Amino acid sequence: DIQMTQSPSTLSASVGDRVTITCRASESLLSWLAWYQQKPGKAPNLLIYKASTLQSGVPSRFSGSGSGTEFTLTISSLQADDSATYYCQQYYSSSRTFGQGTKVEI
Amino acid sequence: EVQLLESGGGLVQPGGSLRLSCAASGFTFVDYAMSWARQAPGKGLEWVSAISSGGHSTFYADSVKGRFTISRDNSENIVFLHMTGLTAGDTAVYYCVKEGPSTHYYFDLWGRGTLVTVSS
Repeated sequence: DIQMTQSPSTLSASVGDRVTITCRASESLLSWLAWYQQKPGKAPNLLIYKASTLQSGVPSRFSGSGSGTEFTLTISSLQADDSATYYCQQYYSSSRTFGQGTKVEI
Repeated sequence: EVQLLESGGGLVQPGGSLRLSCAASGFTFVDYAMSWARQAPGKGLEWVSAISSGGHSTFYADSVKGRFTISRDNSENIVFLHMTGLTAGDTAVYYCVKEGPSTHYYFDLWGRGTLVTVSS
C-alpha cells in the first residue's frame, strides 16, 4: 500500500500567518491527492482535490500544490476558524490512504 | 438536501458482528462509488472499504479484508458495511462517504458517522 507521511504533526501559528503543511507519498501519485479539514466532533470536509483544485465553497486562502510524491497545503492568512486537523489522502491506488494528520493550533 | 445518514452502530462483544447502513439522498446515487472510513477515538482517519457505482467492484483495507463486506442497493440508495470477527481495534466512528466523479476517488460528501464500540 502507498504510505502517506504528513509534517509537521502539530503546528502553532497566529492569525494572519502563512501556514504550510507537507504530505509525502511512498510512490508517485501523479496529482491524485486530496486535502481535508476536520474540526473536533465533526466529519471531515473536503478542501482540495487533484492536488490543487479548490472544492466549491472553500475559502480562497486555502491552496494546494505539488505532484508526484510531494504535496503542500497552504493557508495564506490563517483565521481563527482554521483551527483544526488537516489530512491528506491519496487516491492513485484503489486502497485510498490518509496521512496521519496535522493539528493546527492558533 | 444532499446527505448521507449512517445507522447501525452500537456496542458489540469481541468476535461479534454488526451491519452498518448508509442512506443517501439528494444526488444520483447510482453514478458514484461509495466508501466507508473510520476514526478510532483520538486517532486519525482510516479508509476501510469502497464499492464501485454499479456494485461490481469492491476494495478493502488490509486491516479488514476477509472480515468486512461492503455492498449497495442502488434501488434504495443504501450502502452497507457488514462487519464480522470484530475486535477492540475496530472501535471507531464509521463514516459513510461519497466519492468524486468517474475515477476521482476523493471523498466529497461525508455522513455524520456512527459509533461502533467493541467491548465485553
